[in-house]
Order: sequence, then structure tokens, then C-alpha cells
Amino acid sequence: AQSVTQLGSHVSVSEGALVLLRCNYSSSVPPYLFWYVQYPNQGLQLLLKYTSAATLVKGINGFEAEFKKSETSFHLTKPSAHMSDAAEYFCAVIRGVNNNDMRFGAGTRLTVKP
Amino acid sequence: KAGVTQTPRYLIKTRGQQVTLSCSPISGHRSVSWYQQTPGQGLQFLFEYFSETQRNKGNFPGRFSGRQFSNSRSEMNVSTLELGDSALYLCASAYTGTLSYEQYFGPGTRLTVT
Repeated sequence: AQSVTQLGSHVSVSEGALVLLRCNYSSSVPPYLFWYVQYPNQGLQLLLKYTSAATLVKGINGFEAEFKKSETSFHLTKPSAHMSDAAEYFCAVIRGVNNNDMRFGAGTRLTVKP
Repeated sequence: KAGVTQTPRYLIKTRGQQVTLSCSPISGHRSVSWYQQTPGQGLQFLFEYFSETQRNKGNFPGRFSGRQFSNSRSEMNVSTLELGDSALYLCASAYTGTLSYEQYFGPGTRLTVT
């Protein structure tokens, strides 16, 4: 069964520092992977997705993620954190074609210190 | 295009009552999925509707049900509410006509059961 594990429930960085949020997947077939962001009292917004095309995926707000099959990882990075990046981030995987049963990681809360 | 809308945004119900939540997907999207988000269990998949048929179902009791109308709008019903049903209920829509697996989330309905 496909699933994702996010390492670190809380990550704190200083403004301007590198953001690295970790996600590992478990899948018996090539996965479709996503990163979503959730701001307080809001729904989830798609940051980026991996669907078997380029392994380095660029998303919105300066975020990117690299799919590494050898490490079964899909970590999210941003070179320079901004105060507005403070939010909760979710890594997710779907089970396949015609199946929108999306499985989420537990989430990582990102804090950005001034 | 207008985003996914959910009504109501906030709801307070008493244990034993039933509740109906509504979701209007993005125009042209035929898939609607429902998720429950709680601090303890995180984001959990409830079910997905596609062309008025339930296509996938998560591991929730039969008290949780849904339906989809011909215009793709969806409703979710929870009967005999329990305290543990207090959660943020998120609806997501997707266009499944191409190899695009993105789901677009609404702002959610926050249900409080007292």
C-alpha cells in the first residue's frame, strides 16, 4: 500500500535560511507525490506534484522538491525562508489512476523566526 | 475559475444529531473527495464520488455517507453524531479527464459536536 512519512512534526528556521522538509514514500509502483501547504483556518493549497516526469519539480512560492527513487524520498526545499512561509506542510501520495484516495503524511509545522 | 466552495464554514451540533455538509467543485471537475482532519488522526480519506457514483471509500463507519448530484456538487452526511466527529471536513475536486492527479481543496467545514 502506498503511504508517506514526514520526518519531523515541527521545523524552525530563521528568515532567509534554507527550508528542508522531509518526506519518504512507500510504494510498490511509481508513485504520484504531492506537497500541500495549509495556512491556519484554511484548506490545502497545492505547492507542487511529481507524476513521473522530471525528478526535480518546481512549485509555487519558490519551493521545489526532488524525487529520489534510490532513497524513496521527496523532500521539499526552499533556498530562503520568508515569514509568510510559516504554515503546515503535508506530503501526499495517491493510489493510482482513477483513484483519488490521497494518503497524507502527518504534517510538518514550519516556524520562521525573524 | 471559482475555487471549491464549502458550506457552511462552521457548525455546532449536539451528540446524536445528524449533519449535512455541502461542497461545490470547480467548474468542469467531476471528481469530489471528502477528508476528515483532526489533530489526533491527521487527514483521513472518507470517500470519493465521480459522475454521481461512489468510486472509492475509506475506513469510516456507515454513519458517514455522501452523494453527488448531476452538476457534480456533493453532500456529506453524518448521522448520530459523536464527540469524536468534531473535525475539519475538507472537500477536494479533481479533473480526471487527463493524466492530472491534482486535487483542489475547499476551505473546509469545521464541525464541533457538543
